[in-house]
Amino acid sequence: DAGVTQSPTHLIKTRGQQVTLRCSPISGHKSVSWYQQVLGQGPQFIFQYYEKEERGRGNFPDRFSARQFPNYSSELNVNALLLGDSALYLCASSFQGYSNQPQHFGDGTRLSIL
Amino acid sequence: KQEVTQIPAALSVPEGENLVLNCSFTDSAIYNLQWFRQDPGKGLTSLLLIQSSQREQTSGRLNASLDKSSGRSTLYIAASQPGDSATYLCAVDNQAGTALIFGKGTTLSVSS
Repeated sequence: DAGVTQSPTHLIKTRGQQVTLRCSPISGHKSVSWYQQVLGQGPQFIFQYYEKEERGRGNFPDRFSARQFPNYSSELNVNALLLGDSALYLCASSFQGYSNQPQHFGDGTRLSIL
Repeated sequence: KQEVTQIPAALSVPEGENLVLNCSFTDSAIYNLQWFRQDPGKGLTSLLLIQSSQREQTSGRLNASLDKSSGRSTLYIAASQPGDSATYLCAVDNQAGTALIFGKGTTLSVSS
């Protein structure tokens, strides 16, 4: 079975632009979470979606938004990009999104802001 | 606010050594704790999940323990190998049980 897939793998943008990152969960998983990992730090929680509804939001500005589609794939959108948005963006899927279920991570999208 | 600390930040050992990675958290009201492995430029691989009712979990050469009352977990790696070289991350869940709060990780280098 395919694992969590994310696209694109790398992306270069300039300040002020907008970006959309995509994630396909493992088949049968209904929950997708997004994390931001800045170099040298642990991942920080951005959003969790379950059955197309937002179930959790981390401490990120409104420039960050996400959605989940009927096939459980997800998109993360970031508007008005800042230099500080440069990071590895990770998507994780699980059956229902609760912490007693293993989270399966994709390899991430490396976003660089110039 | 929950904070997760991992010590040491980096560790270099020769092949064959047994080693311990430490994780501490400030709020003992957690449900679960997970240990992950991250290879350079890659995503996270779940190694062990310890639920609140458990005190330890084992998988092959890995053993993780959890002491909620003291806010500590340890990851024990037996007979380390060069292939174990990676960053190891500890994460606890938030109060809602829907998000993970990570430490900064311990970067392990095992030399042959």
